[in-house]
Amino acid sequence: DAKTTQPPSMDCAEGRAANLPCNHSTISGNEYVYWYRQIHSQGPQYIIHGLKNNETNEMASLIITEDRKSSTLILPHATLRDTAVYYCIVRFPQGGSEKLVFGKGTKLTVNP
Amino acid sequence: GAVVSQHPSRVICKSGTSVKIECRSLDFQATTMFWYRQFPKQSLMLMATSNEGSKATYEQGVEKDKFLINHASLTLSTLTVTSAHPEDSSFYICSARDPGRGVRNQPQHFGDGTRLSIL
Repeated sequence: DAKTTQPPSMDCAEGRAANLPCNHSTISGNEYVYWYRQIHSQGPQYIIHGLKNNETNEMASLIITEDRKSSTLILPHATLRDTAVYYCIVRFPQGGSEKLVFGKGTKLTVNP
Repeated sequence: GAVVSQHPSRVICKSGTSVKIECRSLDFQATTMFWYRQFPKQSLMLMATSNEGSKATYEQGVEKDKFLINHASLTLSTLTVTSAHPEDSSFYICSARDPGRGVRNQPQHFGDGTRLSIL
């Protein structure tokens, strides 16, 4: 079962920052937080991942709370092409299965 | 970056036929690939883990005789939907991780999916 909770939908104005929250209160010490997004009729696209430090790449920033029970994905300047379903997934990468368990995600709609 | 390619992107066929979907890792070797299925307005559901040189591991409720998986090389896994029926119509997606990067927290990368429609 998915171990994350996300709001089902969010709206954002084009050009503004989109902040997508994720709760993972049962996360264990060695589990990473991964974010993917899925644009309609395409395969999921990797965005970013982190363990406990905040991370930034060319696509987004990931802010993880100090207790690691929640995180926020930030798209700094949302565009219409960022409209997609965003999935937050926690996974323990060492040993065992590498499989990802997808929840229902957050449908982000960027409005002009 | 790591690229995963799926083929075909879309297939329409008659009920009772078998359909093969290919998943290739283009710039890395993948000992493990994953197959997902996604119905309209639903999330991805893992069907099976494809292991190079050995039998696939199927998730509970997935019929192994219905969904045949072959992972004969380090860059290719195939999913064959045997005797397909309209209820098998879905979006099938594969993924793989580049183990050559040496760090196990590296993300998986997904193909663009195959939309299967059974008439």
